[in-house]
Amino acid sequence: QVQLVESGGGVVQPGGSLRLSCAASGFTFSRYAVHWVRQAPGKGLDWVALVSFDGSNRYYADSVRGRFTISRDNSKRTLFLQMSSLKADDTAVYYCARDLEGRFDGMLDVWGRGTTVTVSS
Amino acid sequence: SYELTQPPSVSVSPGQTASITCSGDKLGDKYACWYQLKPGQSPVLVIYQDHKRPSGIPERFSGSNSGNTATLTISGARAMDEADYYCRAWDSNTVIFGRGTKLTVL
Repeated sequence: QVQLVESGGGVVQPGGSLRLSCAASGFTFSRYAVHWVRQAPGKGLDWVALVSFDGSNRYYADSVRGRFTISRDNSKRTLFLQMSSLKADDTAVYYCARDLEGRFDGMLDVWGRGTTVTVSS
Repeated sequence: SYELTQPPSVSVSPGQTASITCSGDKLGDKYACWYQLKPGQSPVLVIYQDHKRPSGIPERFSGSNSGNTATLTISGARAMDEADYYCRAWDSNTVIFGRGTKLTVL
């Protein structure tokens, strides 16, 4: 079935780095834009980044621009989020999510179950 | 930067109609969509392109968007609809979420 599965979360010290992955299955990954969205404990949804279907366009929230890098490997059906200079405020559950086919604007019809990132000393 | 405003909470009795609003500057000129988020679960898209329902979403969920306000309406609310609801817009190459509305069905 259509599925996204995140991995790579964990505990990291402030200033550290972490790389998240999201494995796609059950659909033609290379036809869809994909996003990272996070939810901090007790807080709402917070959009992080987006990459176009072919990887040619990437956009970021102001809060992560310059620290996070979104990328994808269509041959491996995988989305990545490289996070560096991590702060306590980055502590959250990170979800990968698929945009509706042909769209690029955050109408996200398939979500993973999330992976937890904790930034703490 | 663009902002979306939602009421923090809405209450509804079972079987009655709940309306959750989302306000933003000229929001009606953009496509709005809505997500449902229950504790311990992943978000679910319940309305996209203002009023369309993804497959599997019950007909009691509907949406509208005009002027500065998008509205999610749940007709005949059920206990299972109790959740946080987030609206979303697209502006300046970024996805904007509202701060969420907690829907209580009691």
